Amino acid sequence: DTAVSQTPKYLVTQMGNDKSIKCEQNLGHDTMYWYKQDSKKFLKIMFSYNNKELIINETVPNRFSPKSPDKAHLNLHINSLELGDSAVYFCASSQGASAPPQHFGDGTRLSIL
Amino acid sequence: SQQGEEDPQALSIQEGENATMNCSYKTSINNLQWYRQNSGRGLVHLILIRSNEREKHSGRLRVTLDTSKKSSSLLITASRAADTASYFCATARGGSQGNLIFGKGTKLSVKP
Repeated sequence: DTAVSQTPKYLVTQMGNDKSIKCEQNLGHDTMYWYKQDSKKFLKIMFSYNNKELIINETVPNRFSPKSPDKAHLNLHINSLELGDSAVYFCASSQGASAPPQHFGDGTRLSIL
Repeated sequence: SQQGEEDPQALSIQEGENATMNCSYKTSINNLQWYRQNSGRGLVHLILIRSNEREKHSGRLRVTLDTSKKSSSLLITASRAADTASYFCATARGGSQGNLIFGKGTKLSVKP
């Protein structure tokens, strides 16, 4: 039933490790997004894919690499994790790159030890 | 730079009262959206108001938009404990409607 689902919900790992977060949507949307929400609740867009093509790439370190195997999936791989990467990461989707609204998953809370 | 700025940052009211949150933005917009975030959950879209609209209603929600002042307000009437959440306004960066800029949100607490 879940429209936008992310796994895992919680991720606790050591500095320097590599980790991935997966996102899937069953809404039939063609555009997906990754956002980062910091401890002060500030939400910032990181990436967006439309029909598997990268269309938004904000100022994000190269350690972050999104991958979209198909329109329904957008995964986020993070290399060499740093303390500052601790945050909640949200996946979202929409029908059309310029068509609100966006539908959000419930987030992945990443904690770096 | 941050586009949307909500105020107040936090608001505490009693059930049944009205809650008003404000949002200011910096550049011209095609539309402005309001989202709600319950604790530990993702954002949920509430309402979108287009730049040529001044007011819009949806159930107990009323949104106004003043493009001359670059501001919007969200009014929740007859609030309920279930309205307790953070509320964010969002505008699009440049011509890309999908590239949303969110403010820091207003944390609303509705006491039963």
